[in-house]
Amino acid sequence: DAGVIQSPRHEVTEMGQEVTLRCKPISGHDYLFWYRQTMMRGLELLIYFNNNVPIDDSGMPEDRFSAKMPNASFSTLKIQPSEPRDSAVYFCASSLGQGGETQYFGPGTRLLVL
Amino acid sequence: GESVGLHLPTLSVQEGDNSIINCAYSNSASDYFIWYKQESGKGPQFIIDIRSNMDKRQGQRVTVLLNKTVKHLSLQIAATQPGDSAVYFCAENGNRDDKIIFGKGTRLHILP
Repeated sequence: DAGVIQSPRHEVTEMGQEVTLRCKPISGHDYLFWYRQTMMRGLELLIYFNNNVPIDDSGMPEDRFSAKMPNASFSTLKIQPSEPRDSAVYFCASSLGQGGETQYFGPGTRLLVL
Repeated sequence: GESVGLHLPTLSVQEGDNSIINCAYSNSASDYFIWYKQESGKGPQFIIDIRSNMDKRQGQRVTVLLNKTVKHLSLQIAATQPGDSAVYFCAENGNRDDKIIFGKGTRLHILP
């Protein structure tokens, strides 16, 4: 298996623009997680899905952030409009089974909002 | 504990020596623990895990020790190599829901 796939790997955009991050989880994994990592705040869980259904979005910073999982092999995290403080590395992870189990991370998307 | 990356503790170890990275976890209800390694520019990578019914588990060159009495977890790396340079995170399943909670992380620096 190729592991968790994320795209793009790097994104530079201007404040106010829409940003869409993409994730393909490991085939057969029922759980998908979106994290944000910054130097100041470390690794933060934004939202996670179970069988394509959002379960907990309490970590989503504000309404500018939204996530979808239209099918078992694809998820998006959208920021609209983007702001400089959204600059971070965004990771997608997936896990098998009932959750609370080992999560496998993608390589991340490094986002810079100017 | 929650992951706050303001200042990562750093452990400097001579190449070839053993490394011990410690983690104090927060929730006594946690029954599953994981160590992750994050190299520069990459996502966290699973190293080893342990369940609360065990106090020790060994992998290849790595050993995890769990002390539930004092809520302490450690990762031992034998014969540390330059490729072991990374930030190491412990994680726990806290409330036994679907989430895992990441610790602050420790940076391991290998001295030549």
